[in-house]
Amino acid sequence: SQKIEQNSEALNIQEGKTATLTCNYTNYSPAYLQWYRQDPGRGPVFLLLIRENEKEKRKERLKVTFDTTLKQSLFHITASQPADSATYLCALDGNQFYFGTGTSLTVIP
Amino acid sequence: DTGVSQDPRHKITKRGQNVTFRCDPISEHNRLYWYRQTLGQGPEFLTYFQNEAQLEKSRLLSDRFSAERPKGSFSTLEIQRTEQGDSAMYLCASSLTRLAGGDEQFFGPGTRLTVL
Repeated sequence: SQKIEQNSEALNIQEGKTATLTCNYTNYSPAYLQWYRQDPGRGPVFLLLIRENEKEKRKERLKVTFDTTLKQSLFHITASQPADSATYLCALDGNQFYFGTGTSLTVIP
Repeated sequence: DTGVSQDPRHKITKRGQNVTFRCDPISEHNRLYWYRQTLGQGPEFLTYFQNEAQLEKSRLLSDRFSAERPKGSFSTLEIQRTEQGDSAMYLCASSLTRLAGGDEQFFGPGTRLTVL
């Protein structure tokens, strides 16, 4: 079955720094990978999608990379702000839809 | 509000009782998904519909769980003979199928189930 691993530890960074979150997967070669943000007690919110033929995707302060050889995606938030504090989930599509366990990010003012 | 809505938001029930949750997707979306999420975990896929057809169901899903989307609009998720292990947040999401794939999913606020 599909296995998705994200940074197991919570990530704490100083405001203004770049946060980098990791998503590794096994047993599958997805055509695309998605990143979502989830705040406590709420449903996930879509952020970015990257396809297998794309190496990098950007949206404002967000950047996602996708290395299908390493089976890894990196998610970067540049110039981080306290409002970026949340849990970030990566997800990929097989015959089902698989989410990672998420990485909790705290941006310290 | 034209987002995904779920009802109820909270449900407390006793072990052995049946519960039913409702999800109203974004009106033009043809796909509807159900997930279960426990504390510290990501959403776990349960099932999804394309219009009224249930296309996929998790092999981990007990026979006590059943979902319907009778007219391709709203959906219901029923859990029969609830167990304490069913306590979780149940999330619904909808999407509009894209030819290129990679549908962006829009999530509802979830129904939090507590089984006593």
